[in-house]
Amino acid sequence: TQLLEQSPQFLSIQEGENLTVYCNSSSVFSSLQWYRQEPGEGPVLLVTVVTGGEVKKLKRLTFQFGDARKDSSLHITAAQPGDTGLYLCAGEGYSSASKIIFGSGTRLSIRP
Amino acid sequence: ETGVTQTPRHLVMGMTNKKSLKCEQHLGHNAMYWYKQSAKKPLELMFVYNFKEQTENNSVPSRFSPECPNSSHLFLHLHTLQPEDSALYLCASSQDSGTGYTFGSGTRLTVV
Repeated sequence: TQLLEQSPQFLSIQEGENLTVYCNSSSVFSSLQWYRQEPGEGPVLLVTVVTGGEVKKLKRLTFQFGDARKDSSLHITAAQPGDTGLYLCAGEGYSSASKIIFGSGTRLSIRP
Repeated sequence: ETGVTQTPRHLVMGMTNKKSLKCEQHLGHNAMYWYKQSAKKPLELMFVYNFKEQTENNSVPSRFSPECPNSSHLFLHLHTLQPEDSALYLCASSQDSGTGYTFGSGTRLTVV
């Protein structure tokens, strides 16, 4: 069974600080996605990474896909209160029957 | 506006009631999904439809019954639910594998 572990589960930091959250698995994925979910809403896709070692930037957010395609990280620079939310990673396998599996998420709180 | 609309947003039902959740997407996507999100657990895939055909039934109890009349609409019919079925039910759609999902805002279901 494929599993995606996210760490930390909870993170509360001061506005302006930097942070990194991690998504790890023993399985290899063809692609990996990151989502942000705010209370009372559905997850919103932030980025998809497909190439081992790939780095993508979205303003203050930097996403990296591991060389072995088993893990990923999300780094936020100078966190803002608007970054608060549940961050979910999701991985897709290689076969046509593969389902996207989700990690349990990192709940991030940015204090003003 | 996420492109995927779910109704109702909130639903409280007794264990003997019958209700239906509705999902609608006008993104031209060919796949639609039902997910269950419970506290402190990863998103659980329930059903997958590709071009209106059900391709996945992830060992979901028969008290949940999906219906996909066309590629834009998806329903989840509920009957004789249990209190442990209380959760956020999310609908999502996608076009191709590896491109990520577009989620609706969810229906917050409470079974009393």
